[in-house]
Amino acid sequence: SQTIHQWPATLVQPVGSPLSLECTVEGTSNPNLYWYRQAAGRGLQLLFYSVGIGQISSEVPQNLSASRPQDRQFILSSKKLLLSDSGFYLCAWRTSGGTDTQYFGPGTRLTVL
Amino acid sequence: AQSVTQPDIHITVSEGASLELRCNYSYGATPYLFWYVQSPGQGLQLLLKYFSGDTLVQGIKGFEAEFKRSQSSFNLRKPSVHWSDAAEYFCAVGFYNAGNNRKLIWGLGTSLAVNP
Repeated sequence: SQTIHQWPATLVQPVGSPLSLECTVEGTSNPNLYWYRQAAGRGLQLLFYSVGIGQISSEVPQNLSASRPQDRQFILSSKKLLLSDSGFYLCAWRTSGGTDTQYFGPGTRLTVL
Repeated sequence: AQSVTQPDIHITVSEGASLELRCNYSYGATPYLFWYVQSPGQGLQLLLKYFSGDTLVQGIKGFEAEFKRSQSSFNLRKPSVHWSDAAEYFCAVGFYNAGNNRKLIWGLGTSLAVNP
């Protein structure tokens, strides 16, 4: 069966510090991968998606970047965090060429102080 | 443009009462439709989905949803709510973007509270 992991689970970082959040998927090959941000009391905002290694599409211009160095690894990064980067970050995957069903990881709570 | 609307930001029901959460969408083609649930501090869990066929779909935890093309709706229902159903519920629609990639459009969610 497929599983998706995110770490860390929680993170408190000062403004201006770098960021690296990791997402890995097990039990599937060549998944489509997604990074979402969920601000308090808000819906899901799609940040990036990837259909393959090294292939990243950005949905919203921002302070963040994403990379996919391996088939089942998706990384969200920032060189300098802003207060507005605080939120709940969710990684999701779906089967390439399959239905639209996305499966979510447990999320990372990021607080920028 | 495609959009998903969940008209109710917050709903409170008594335990044992019936529940209906509304979802309306705007999409030119036949949609793929989803309902997800999120407990506080957790990721999203798929409740049910509609792709084609029977317009009444059954999901996990006793939930069901009905696709009504004429009303562009996909409302979620449960006949008897349990206290553990208190959570955030999200409706989503699948579509192809300009790059021919599949994505989901999300509603803003409905927060469900259950009174004992």
